[in-house]
Amino acid sequence: GAVVSQHPSRVICKSGTSVKIECRSLDFQATTMFWYRQFPKQSLMLMATSNEGSKATYEQGVEKDKFLINHASLTLSTLTVTSAHPEDSSFYICSARKGETGYGYTFGSGTRLTVV
Amino acid sequence: AQSVTQLDSHVSVSEGTPVLLRCNYSSSYSPSLFWYVQHPNKGLQLLLKYTSAATLVKGINGFEAEFKKSETSFHLTKPSAHMSDAAEYFCVVRSTGGGNKLTFGTGTQLKVEL
Repeated sequence: GAVVSQHPSRVICKSGTSVKIECRSLDFQATTMFWYRQFPKQSLMLMATSNEGSKATYEQGVEKDKFLINHASLTLSTLTVTSAHPEDSSFYICSARKGETGYGYTFGSGTRLTVV
Repeated sequence: AQSVTQLDSHVSVSEGTPVLLRCNYSSSYSPSLFWYVQHPNKGLQLLLKYTSAATLVKGINGFEAEFKKSETSFHLTKPSAHMSDAAEYFCVVRSTGGGNKLTFGTGTQLKVEL
């Protein structure tokens, strides 16, 4: 099967610091990875689409300088929340797409970020 | 543009009784439709997907959904609820003409009572 590992599962950081979240496809090559943000009791909102070897495409309203995405290899994408503030506290989930048909989306287990 | 509407934010059933989670979609193109389940503080698990093949789709854990184009619906059902089914369920649409983006519904919280 297709497995996506997301790390860390939980992180607490101080305001003003940066946090990096990793998303790895363990048994397949993911040409495209997606980053979502989920507020409590709400749905997932797509933040950006990340293609290996190119710049990420951000959704409207998402600050690309605040949420840095790097997709350096076919199995790893990272999301760095820079200069974090309490309002950045949220549940972040990555997803990797297997193959080109677009049907095979696999989600990571999510990262709970708390900024204090 | 594409969208999904989950008609119920909360559904409560008794264990052993049928489950019905409603979803209506809107899409300019032939859609691919998915149902995902999310347990607390966990990622999403795919229950089933419709990709223009059979309109009745069977998924994992006894769930199934029927694609009805005339009603633009993709309701999720299960004949007999189990306590372990209690979770958040998301209906998701991906349009073939809309790139590879998934659009999520607002979710339905399923509660299963003894």
